[in-house]
Parts: sequence; structure tokens; C-alpha cells
Amino acid sequence: DQQVKQNSPSLSVQEGRISILNCDYTNSMFDYFLWYKKYPAEGPTFLISISSIKDKNEDGRFTVFLNKSAKHLSLHIVPSQPGDSAVYFCAATRGGSNYKLTFGKGTLLTVNP
Amino acid sequence: NAGVTQTPKFQVLKTGQSMTLQCAQDMNHNSMYWYRQDPGMGLRLIYYSASEGTTDKGEVPNGYNVSRLNKREFSLRLESAAPSQTSVYFCASRPGLNYNSPLHFGNGTRLTVT
Repeated sequence: DQQVKQNSPSLSVQEGRISILNCDYTNSMFDYFLWYKKYPAEGPTFLISISSIKDKNEDGRFTVFLNKSAKHLSLHIVPSQPGDSAVYFCAATRGGSNYKLTFGKGTLLTVNP
Repeated sequence: NAGVTQTPKFQVLKTGQSMTLQCAQDMNHNSMYWYRQDPGMGLRLIYYSASEGTTDKGEVPNGYNVSRLNKREFSLRLESAAPSQTSVYFCASRPGLNYNSPLHFGNGTRLTVT
């Protein structure tokens, strides 16, 4: 049972445009959500997070939106840069779980110059 | 400041062989985790250690054992490797205090079992 789903295996955008990566979850107990970015042959690196008490969190070019009623979150990257080309993982956890993260399968973002 | 260091980077084993994957962090973090990543899959939690002296099973613990040797080190052992354990293994750590301290990952160990 996949509790965190990233239904788009890949996404290609032009440099300077907006990238929107989507993530759905099924477990209503999740209360904290994160996005990680991964380059080949490296470990994932933390990008941005959001608590379930918020519906938006912004950090520079990156914004995460959370729609709890739809159990959906999205990551917006504006403007997209070639260096943003990587695999993006959505992850979720809940309080009292010792921060055990459940990850989606990832979306490969390619930003074309 | 190296962060999370995993050794070895690559390993090839024959079915039935054993090995230990090493992980050390120099950030004085309390919690440490082992994940595996398979092609087309997200990361799945194998074992974790919420604090020194404790270990618990994650989502896919079968075929693995762990040791939290001290606060810095958390090793993952495969007693009898199987081809299904071919994967990339990631170790991670975090301070363990609150939500605002996310996981820091190492660069992984790529394991092939033939």
C-alpha cells in the first residue's frame, strides 16, 4: 500500500519557467511533509518542508503548497534553472513515529537551457 | 565537517556471503536511520535508532541486523546476502529533537549480490 504517491515519473521544463511537482498521500495521520532533492551518485538533500497546520511555505525559489482536504501537496520552483535537474522525492511523517519518513517514488525533473 | 560518511561506496557479494555496511556521523545527532533505494522506488526504511542504545525495525527489516555502536556509528549487517538485497543503501541522521531538524543523508553504498 503506497501511502505517498508521485504519479509523474518525469517532468521536463524550460529554463526560467515554473516547475510544478505533485505528491498525493493517503494516510490522514501524516502531519509533516518534506521534499528532498537527489543528484546521481549522491544522497538526498533536504529542500523544504511544511507542517499540516500551514498551507504554504516558501524558501527563495521554492514553495510548497499543502491541500489537506485533497491530501495533496505540490512543490513549485520559480524560475527553474538547469542546476535544478534532479530527482525530487516527496516524504511524509507523523508525530510520535520517531520521524520515520515514508517516501514517494520520485520525479525526475529536467530543466532544459 | 564530513556529515554522514558511509563505507564502502561499492560492494559486490555472492549469495550467502555476509558483510557490514558502516555509517558514521560527526554532527552529534541522536537519531540514525538506514534506508534502501531500489530502481523506480522511493526510499524504504530498514532500521532506525532513535537514540544511542536503542534500535527498532522499519518497513523492510527482514534479512538485516543493526548495531548502534555509539552515538556516532550505526552499522547495518547482512548475515546471508540474497540477490533481492541488491540495492543502494543510505544512512541518515538527525538531531532527534523536533520537526525542524530534517534527515541528513550519506552518499550511499551501492551493493550488488550475485
